[in-house]
Amino acid sequence: GAGVSQTPSNKVTEKGKYVELRCDPISGHTALYWYRQSLGQGPEFLIYFQGTGAADDSGLPNDRFFAVRPEGSVSTLKIQRTERGDSAVYLCASSSGTPQYFGPGTRLTVL
Amino acid sequence: SQQGEEDPQALSIQEGENATMNCSYKTSINNLQWYRQNSGRGLVHLILIRSNEREKHSGRLRVTLDTSKKSSSLLITASRAADTASYFCATAPEFSGGYNKLIFGAGTRLAVHP
Repeated sequence: GAGVSQTPSNKVTEKGKYVELRCDPISGHTALYWYRQSLGQGPEFLIYFQGTGAADDSGLPNDRFFAVRPEGSVSTLKIQRTERGDSAVYLCASSSGTPQYFGPGTRLTVL
Repeated sequence: SQQGEEDPQALSIQEGENATMNCSYKTSINNLQWYRQNSGRGLVHLILIRSNEREKHSGRLRVTLDTSKKSSSLLITASRAADTASYFCATAPEFSGGYNKLIFGAGTRLAVHP
């Protein structure tokens, strides 16, 4: 069956711009996670959804970052006023328990 | 911030040799998982070991867990060139609300030469 998909695969933007990153989880998975991975590092947790609600957003670095999952399936990670330090690979994962299944990620480059 | 530390940071071996990677973590855990990543993109789950388990096998993979030392090791036997990838340990904290919020280490980059 289809795995987790993320779009776009690459996004280049200018400092100060707004970006949206999309995640399509595996059908039927109620849990959805966003992680951020900087070069040479492991993924860092950002936010977790159970259904439509954000159950844990403790990893969001500041209020420029926001995520939604309005119908309990597709999720969008939104970053306002992007900064060069936001450049990273943004990974989405979904699960119906353990393990988490990861998408291929979106590589965000902020110039 | 990341919880785990992995050792070594990079490992280079010949095909057929065994590869051992170690992971240490800081807080009590519900389980520990190992993931593999090719080319810095999507991660693939390899194996999970629960906090009350000490050893687990899956194919050419062997994982050990020592909760008293807060450490784990991943052994890949009879390595192949296709095993070349980055390997990450990830812990699910014990009091993480009943879901697997994962805390990743920095990873070990494994290169297997033909």
